Amino acid sequence: AQSVSQHNHHVILSEAASLELGCNYSYGGTVNLFWYVQYPGQHLQLLLKYFSGDPLVKGIKGFEAEFIKSKFSFNLRKPSVQWSDTAEYFCAVTLTGYSSASKIIFGSGTRLSIRP
Amino acid sequence: KAGVTQTPRYLIKTRGQQVTLSCSPISGHRSVSWYQQTPGQGLQFLFEYFSETQRNKGNFPGRFSGRQFSNSRSEMNVSTLELGDSALYLCASTPLGQLNNEQFFGPGTRLTVL
Repeated sequence: AQSVSQHNHHVILSEAASLELGCNYSYGGTVNLFWYVQYPGQHLQLLLKYFSGDPLVKGIKGFEAEFIKSKFSFNLRKPSVQWSDTAEYFCAVTLTGYSSASKIIFGSGTRLSIRP
Repeated sequence: KAGVTQTPRYLIKTRGQQVTLSCSPISGHRSVSWYQQTPGQGLQFLFEYFSETQRNKGNFPGRFSGRQFSNSRSEMNVSTLELGDSALYLCASTPLGQLNNEQFFGPGTRLTVL
């Protein structure tokens, strides 16, 4: 069965540190990839997405992610975090060709805490 | 454009009761999906509705049901509540039910079962 793994459950960083959150998926076919963010008390919102083309994807608020097909990974990065990046981050995968939300598989989330 | 709205935002129920949650999608969006979010489990897909029809259902017991109305508003119902049903229930809408369109999430309904 398809799955998404986010190995870091809780990451604590100081402001200005660099961030990398891991995301690995298990599926041999073609996928679409997403990172969502949930700020405290706010809606889940899309950070960035990859469908095809350049495997380095840039999203909002200075985030980027790189799709490495050979490693089944889609890690999220930010060169310098801010206190306002404190949130929970979810990686999600969908199988291309499907138009159903049931094929969206979310990871269990990574809680990011930034020390001011 | 108003975002996805969910009512109520918070709900406290006791075991054995039933609950109905409501979701109003973004105007013009015809697909509505429901998710259960619990600590450590991430988001688990419940079901998806498109044009008043349930297109897919996740691996939840029959106590969880839903429906969609002609104006695309959706409700989900949980009967015979159990303690383990305590969670944040999220609704998301997309314009035409296609994955290449972003899913827009509502703020969720926090359900606590005592």
